[in-house]
Amino acid sequence: DADVTQTPRNRITKTGKRIMLECSQTKGHDRMYWYRQDPGLGLRLIYYSFDVKDINKGEISDGYSVSRQAQAKFSLSLESAIPNQTALYFCATSDPGQDYGYTFGSGTRLTVV
Amino acid sequence: GQSLEQPSEVTAVEGAIVQINCTYQTSGFYGLSWYQQHDGGAPTFLSYNALDGLEETGRFSSFLSRSDSYGYLLLQELQMKDSASYFCAVSKTGNTGKLIFGQGTTLQVKP
Repeated sequence: DADVTQTPRNRITKTGKRIMLECSQTKGHDRMYWYRQDPGLGLRLIYYSFDVKDINKGEISDGYSVSRQAQAKFSLSLESAIPNQTALYFCATSDPGQDYGYTFGSGTRLTVV
Repeated sequence: GQSLEQPSEVTAVEGAIVQINCTYQTSGFYGLSWYQQHDGGAPTFLSYNALDGLEETGRFSSFLSRSDSYGYLLLQELQMKDSASYFCAVSKTGNTGKLIFGQGTTLQVKP
């Protein structure tokens, strides 16, 4: 099994719909992250969490929310999807002693029509 | 503000050496990481520099000059499978855990 698992792998949804992207990890790390990737823009941080009770906004959190259900689970929600949220979404985890070396999931390709 | 600059594309031939540069502007700089990503797949960690100098990991090496706010990834003995996107990423002081990524460099290796 993968260290970081994201579901679904692909999703097409309509404008205005609520959608949840799920992430689970087996690394046993406390720190988890959600990034968004758009062509030519690299990876941009949406939200991050250092433990179950610690949630922080990243640079592009507007229109998104997260839930840290357990150490191993970190979900990203789009409350009312819009077309410019069409992107590739990655979840990642890191060891506090080695934050420079994330382990990423395989990504969720989201299309909002 | 903070920014990282990388070339958007680099092309090289199989067996050659290629260098991918990264310049950064950020307060509270701590270290520079490099990641590889194949065709929209999961980015994978390659290398990290917190101190000036060269770090070598097999065919890949990474260099950092803190005084010049500059680093590079060096790939030797290029193979076709090295065709991918490469991202530099800055980590900052204060144990924030966050990484700030550059826009990525697409490397095309030709036969």
